[in-house]
Amino acid sequence: GAVVSQHPSRVICKSGTSVKIECRSLDFQATTMFWYRQFPKKSLMLMATSNEGSKATYEQGVEKDKFLINHASLTLSTLTVTSAHPEDSSFYICSARDLEGYEQYFGPGTRLTVT
Amino acid sequence: GQSLEQPSEVTAVEGAIVQINCTYQTSGFYGLSWYQQHDGGAPTFLSYNALDGLEETGRFSSFLSRSDSYGYLLLQELQMKDSASYFCAVRDDADKLIFGTGTRLQVFP
Repeated sequence: GAVVSQHPSRVICKSGTSVKIECRSLDFQATTMFWYRQFPKKSLMLMATSNEGSKATYEQGVEKDKFLINHASLTLSTLTVTSAHPEDSSFYICSARDLEGYEQYFGPGTRLTVT
Repeated sequence: GQSLEQPSEVTAVEGAIVQINCTYQTSGFYGLSWYQQHDGGAPTFLSYNALDGLEETGRFSSFLSRSDSYGYLLLQELQMKDSASYFCAVRDDADKLIFGTGTRLQVFP
């Protein structure tokens, strides 16, 4: 089956710093990738949709200047949390859709802790 | 707005059968999916219903009634390893996968 990887799996950073999370589709090409955030014991909330070569589309209430998304190739999307604060601590999960546009595959997630 | 409602928690014993319901209200509907997520892990795909009726995959079955905007996941012969969170999800007319509120299943010996 299709595999999506995320790096890093865990990251701890100090308040005010920026953190970059990578999402890669390992054995397929993905024109569309999605970024979700999940707080403990809560559901996955869609943050943004990124399409290769174009600007990401952010969900209502998600600050595009704080959560920078880049989808430079068909196998890589990055999420940068800028000037992170403790309230940004969460589980960030990416998902990639293959070129046929039907299946959506999830990465293992990145646990971000901001101290 | 869009909403997919699920019971927050369900408990059962090993070997039992449990049903997790999902009622949805979304802008567009292109199928109902179910995902399992263990603590700290990624969601894993369980099943998908595009049309009304029952889909069976081993111990898991999923049902959809589009006229009622309702579906359920049925887990049979419960095992301890089935303890996890379960999410329904709908692909809406903006081609986004929207997740339900989630149901935490606890299986006891």
